[in-house]
Amino acid sequence: LAKTTQPISMDSYEGQEVNITCSHNNIATNDYITWYQQFPSQGPRFIIQGYKTKVTNEVASLFIPADRKSSTLSLPRVSLSDTAVYYCLVGGGNAGNMLTFGGGTRLMVKP
Amino acid sequence: NAGVTQTPKFQVLKTGQSMTLQCAQDMNHEYMSWYRQDPGMGLRLIHYSVGAGITDQGEVPNGYNVSRSTTEDFPLRLLSAAPSQTSVYFCASSYLDRGQTQYFGPGTRLLVL
Repeated sequence: LAKTTQPISMDSYEGQEVNITCSHNNIATNDYITWYQQFPSQGPRFIIQGYKTKVTNEVASLFIPADRKSSTLSLPRVSLSDTAVYYCLVGGGNAGNMLTFGGGTRLMVKP
Repeated sequence: NAGVTQTPKFQVLKTGQSMTLQCAQDMNHEYMSWYRQDPGMGLRLIHYSVGAGITDQGEVPNGYNVSRSTTEDFPLRLLSAAPSQTSVYFCASSYLDRGQTQYFGPGTRLLVL
């Protein structure tokens, strides 16, 4: 299982860009990198997924270097509603393997 | 689509009681899983299944049983509840495609006295 390491918490202000980095040194060749967002009292929600290079969707970008040993979730111009816990999950490359979460990063966006 | 549904939303048990947490999905996902989340902590995998009739243990399986008789349903059974099992339980499902993007239910909040 690819273990992930993220900062425990981060603070930001409205309108700023936030970058959250996840380390996954023992990522397997077929593994994907997936980021989830979780609000209090809710289940996690998919944000973005990538395998290599850069992926962008309507809410975030995901940057993955060539060695794939880390990844960075980028949230452009955050608002108060982006205050949540963000989880990086590595896996899904070999269908049917268990999918385990790391500790997550608690992002606090201030006015 | 209702997505992933979980019942009940909240349950109080006494130590030693048993109960079943229900989980259902209507997306024809092959993969289903159960996680528990203790206050202020991350999610820990309890059990998972890659299809009907197939289940396997996750990181913290002790005290829990699962079965998967249909693609849609994946119930989690607490055999003899303990206070240490007080937690929020999330069910998730995904296709067995590359990446396995998971969809989560709203959770069941369990309090064991």
